[in-house]
Amino acid sequence: AQSVTQLDSHVSVSEGTPVLLRCNYSSSYSPSLFWYVQHPNKGLQLLLKYTSAATLVKGINGFEAEFKKSETSFHLTKPSAHMSDAAEYFCVVSDGSTGFQKLVFGTGTRLLVSP
Amino acid sequence: EPEVTQTPSHQVTQMGQEVILRCVPISNHLYFYWYRQILGQKVEFLVSFYNNEISEKSEIFDDQFSVERPDGSNFTLKIRSTKLEDSAMYFCASSGDRGRYQPQHFGDGTRLSIL
Repeated sequence: AQSVTQLDSHVSVSEGTPVLLRCNYSSSYSPSLFWYVQHPNKGLQLLLKYTSAATLVKGINGFEAEFKKSETSFHLTKPSAHMSDAAEYFCVVSDGSTGFQKLVFGTGTRLLVSP
Repeated sequence: EPEVTQTPSHQVTQMGQEVILRCVPISNHLYFYWYRQILGQKVEFLVSFYNNEISEKSEIFDDQFSVERPDGSNFTLKIRSTKLEDSAMYFCASSGDRGRYQPQHFGDGTRLSIL
């Protein structure tokens, strides 16, 4: 079965400093990985997806993630945090073992951005 | 940009009552999903639906739950006799393809509160 582990439940940064949200995956085959963001009282918005075409994936709002097979990691980064980045971030793996895809979510990392 | 819409945003129901959560997926999408997130817990897969039938369901999706696509646009989740533990945020999602790299697009969710 596919799974993801988000290593930090909370990450606090100052505005303008780099962001690093960590995710490790477990998969019996080449995984399909996603990062989603959830702002307060909003739905889940896709930030980026890994499709095996490139190990460095660029997403929306300046976020990017690097797929590292040797480390089974897919960490999310952003060079400079903005106040509007404060939200919950989910690392997600797609499990298609039945032929239909279901998403398996990590526990989430709450990003706090201070002025 | 097309989006998934869910109604109502908040539903309060007495235990034992039936509840129907409604979703309008993105119009050209063919695959539909329900997930739920109990407060403080992970987002969990409930069910996937394609071609007017359930393609996969989780252990959570017992006989009290059902899904339906009553017309060409709506996708509903019904809970027949609600329990306190059904209190959660319920997310609908849709995708255009079942390919493993195809992202799922989520609605803003319905917060279900069982009294």
